[in-house]
Amino acid sequence: GDSVTQMEGPVTLSEEACLTINCTYTATGYPSLFWYVQYPGEGLQLLLKATKADDKGSNKGFEATYRKETTSFHLEKGSVQVSDSAVYFCALSDHRGSQGNLIFGKGTKLSVKP
Amino acid sequence: KAGVTQTPRYLIKTRGQQVTLSCSPISGHRSVSWYQQTPGQGLQFLFEYFSETQRNKGNFPGRFSGRQFSNSRSEMNVSTLELGDSALYLCASSSNMNTEAFFGQGTRLTVV
Repeated sequence: GDSVTQMEGPVTLSEEACLTINCTYTATGYPSLFWYVQYPGEGLQLLLKATKADDKGSNKGFEATYRKETTSFHLEKGSVQVSDSAVYFCALSDHRGSQGNLIFGKGTKLSVKP
Repeated sequence: KAGVTQTPRYLIKTRGQQVTLSCSPISGHRSVSWYQQTPGQGLQFLFEYFSETQRNKGNFPGRFSGRQFSNSRSEMNVSTLELGDSALYLCASSSNMNTEAFFGQGTRLTVV
């Protein structure tokens, strides 16, 4: 079945460092891809999404490009802030963009030190 | 605009009991999904409802069930609780099946 694999954490960075969180997927069709973020004590928030190959999702300085040839959707940010400390989840949906039936990776905890 | 509201926020139950969790979606949203989050298995899809109809179901035993009411509020029920059912249960709502899903803060269930 469909699945998502993302790099294990935790990841600890200094403020203003570059961030890459790797995410690869396995899917039989043409899934939509998402990054969600979970701040301590809160629910998940959609960070960005891409619905077809070569699409680039971006939000709050974060970017991810849908790479069909490498089945990847890596999350990047050029300069992280302490406020970016959270758990990041890569996810896919195989139901024509529906976000009601998401398959998630295990999550990567990011800690940013001042 | 109020967000997704899940009640209760915390719950402690004894093995063998049953539990009902509630989710009130954002006003106007007709799609509600449920997920189980555990440290070992991560986030796993339970079921999705749209306009009172179950549209999709995850790979969970029949002890897990849900329903959606005409006002889009949803409940999930777990019967004959097991220790392994201890988890954070998250609900998400969206206006239809192809738009952004907004998550609630979850219900933390502990089975002792």
